[in-house]
Amino acid sequence: AQRVTQPEKLLSVFKGAPVELKCNYSYSGSPELFWYVQYSRQRLQLLLRHISRESIKGFTADLNKGETSFHLKKPFAQEEDSAMYYCALNSGTYKYIFGTGTRLKVLA
Amino acid sequence: SAVISQKPSRDICQRGTSLTIQCQVDSQVTMMFWYRQQPGQSLTLIATANQGSEATYESGFVIDKFPISRPNLTFSTLTVSNMSPEDSSIYLCSVELARNGELFFGEGSRLTVL
Repeated sequence: AQRVTQPEKLLSVFKGAPVELKCNYSYSGSPELFWYVQYSRQRLQLLLRHISRESIKGFTADLNKGETSFHLKKPFAQEEDSAMYYCALNSGTYKYIFGTGTRLKVLA
Repeated sequence: SAVISQKPSRDICQRGTSLTIQCQVDSQVTMMFWYRQQPGQSLTLIATANQGSEATYESGFVIDKFPISRPNLTFSTLTVSNMSPEDSSIYLCSVELARNGELFFGEGSRLTVL
């Protein structure tokens, strides 16, 4: 079965500390993986996708097929990074499977 | 990008009643998606609304409970019928402009059923 797991509901880090939001997936084929973010009082929006291999707002995510993971990382957290982060998988159709989300709190 | 407007943004309803949520997109799209986000849960796809045809429902969701209309390429409605407290959730409208994985979401409609 296709599944996305985000084991942490809440992650608190201090400003300037490294951040890693964990995402593991279950899918037998070649998945497309994404990170979506929802800032306070804003709508859910795309942060980055693994195909682009890009860094957005200092965040990167590498697809590790051996570990079936797609962890989101940032070397130095900023207060404005505080938000809800969702990992999502697309199996090649229009259907996206979302994880339960991790709330990131960056403390001053 | 796409701008999606949802109405109502929130509502409190009585058990047994029905509520219709509207979704308006500022561009023409083939498919519109309706998601549900229950408290502490992930987003779950309810159905895909295609213009000119019946909506496609995901497992666990049926048309009698969640009838959907799609009268044109920029508008859709989702009705939550015969509501119970278990229907209390955020309902989200979403579109994908290009097959690149970028979903655009509305602000969501927070429904509370008493």
